[in-house]
Amino acid sequence: DQQVKQNSPSLSVQEGRISILNCDYTNSMFDYFLWYKKYPAEGPTFLISISSIKDKNEDGRFTVFLNKSAKHLSLHIVPSQPGDSAVYFCAASFERAGGTSYGKLTFGQGTILTVHP
Amino acid sequence: EAQVTQNPRYLITVTGKKLTVTCSQNMNHEYMSWYRQDPGLGLRQIYYSMNVEVTDKGDVPEGYKVSRKEKRNFPLILESPSPNQTSLYFCASSLSPAPYYEQYFGPGTRLTVT
Repeated sequence: DQQVKQNSPSLSVQEGRISILNCDYTNSMFDYFLWYKKYPAEGPTFLISISSIKDKNEDGRFTVFLNKSAKHLSLHIVPSQPGDSAVYFCAASFERAGGTSYGKLTFGQGTILTVHP
Repeated sequence: EAQVTQNPRYLITVTGKKLTVTCSQNMNHEYMSWYRQDPGLGLRQIYYSMNVEVTDKGDVPEGYKVSRKEKRNFPLILESPSPNQTSLYFCASSLSPAPYYEQYFGPGTRLTVT
């Protein structure tokens, strides 16, 4: 049962335009969400996160939006650059301590973003 | 340089031949975990460790063992590898299991079991 889903396997965008990557989750107990970026032959690296008490978090060109009622989050990259081409994973976790799932990241399948010059 | 290292990076082996993938971090992190990445499934947690001598199962622990005798090392052991364990494996570490502490991932180990 895939609790975190990224339904778009790939996304192609022109340089300078906006990239929007989407993620849906089913477990309403998740209360902390993260985006990781992965280049080929490297491990994932943390990009941006959001707690469920917020609906938006910005960091430079990257903004994450959270819609708790829809169990949906999205990552906006503006403007997109060729160096942003990578696989993007969304992940969900639990901010409250305790329980066997504390610390575990539940990942989506990933979306391959290609930014064309 | 703060990092998580894994060895080997690539490994081709045969069914049933025991192997160990090493993981080491130099950040004095308490929390470490292993994930496997498979097409269409994302990354799934295999095992995790809250501290030395404290380990527990993740979502897909079958066929794997781990140990945490030292804080910096968290090896993944496949006692009798099978073809369904062919995958890309990542070790990760963080200061704390709390999600707002960034998890640092190693570069990955690509394992093929024939």
